[in-house]
Amino acid sequence: SAVISQKPSRDICQRGTSLTIQCQVDSQVTMMFWYRQQPGQSLTLIATANQGSEATYESGFVIDKFPISRPNLTFSTLTVSNMSPEDSSIYLCSVDGVNTEAFFGQGTRLTVV
Amino acid sequence: KQEVTQIPAALSVPEGENLVLNCSFTDSAIYNLQWFRQDPGKGLTSLLLIQSSQREQTSGRLNASLDKSSGRSTLYIAASQPGDSATYLCAGRKTSYDKVIFGPGTSLSVIP
Repeated sequence: SAVISQKPSRDICQRGTSLTIQCQVDSQVTMMFWYRQQPGQSLTLIATANQGSEATYESGFVIDKFPISRPNLTFSTLTVSNMSPEDSSIYLCSVDGVNTEAFFGQGTRLTVV
Repeated sequence: KQEVTQIPAALSVPEGENLVLNCSFTDSAIYNLQWFRQDPGKGLTSLLLIQSSQREQTSGRLNASLDKSSGRSTLYIAASQPGDSATYLCAGRKTSYDKVIFGPGTSLSVIP
C-alpha cells in the first residue's frame, strides 16, 4: 500500500486568494491524481500529474484555475487560484499502488468565505 | 462512457444486521472495481479491490463480489457495528491506465 500525506488538512480562505495543497507519497510513483469532492457529491478527477511533464486536465478544469506542480516522483502540489465560494470542497490526492489499487490522502477540506 | 451508480443512496440499520450495498456500472469492459469507505470530511480508505478476473474478495466482515456480465458489484457487511457508519463508494476503471470512475456513494448509519 501507499501512504499519502496531504497538507493542510483544512483551511478557511478569503475569496480572491489562492491556496496551495501539498501531497507527499512514501514511495516513487509515475502518476499522481488530484480529485475534487464538492459537498454531498462524489469524486471528480481534476487532473493527472506526471513527473517532468505538464499535467493533463479533465474537461471542465483548466490550468489557470488549478495549476499543478510535480517536481519529483514523490511530491505534487495543487493550487486553487482566485477562489470563490463555489470552490469550497474536499480536495484529494491519489496514487495507484500494486495492481492499480487506488490510494488516497486524508484530503484537504477547503472553505471559501 | 463508463457510469457508476449505487443503491441505496442511504441506509440505516440496527447494530448486528447483515447488509448489502449495490453498485452498477454501464460498461462491462471493466478492468477492476474497488470499494472505499469515507468518514465525514475525510479521505478515502480502500476496503477491497476486485480484478476483472476475480469473482469476489473478502476482508474480515466484508465481502465484495463482481459480476461483469450483469454490470454489478455488491459489498456485503456482516454483523454491522456502529463503527461501520460511513459513506461507501464503489469505483471502477476500464483499463489499467484509465481514470477511476466513482459512484455517488451509499451513506450507512448503524444504530446501536
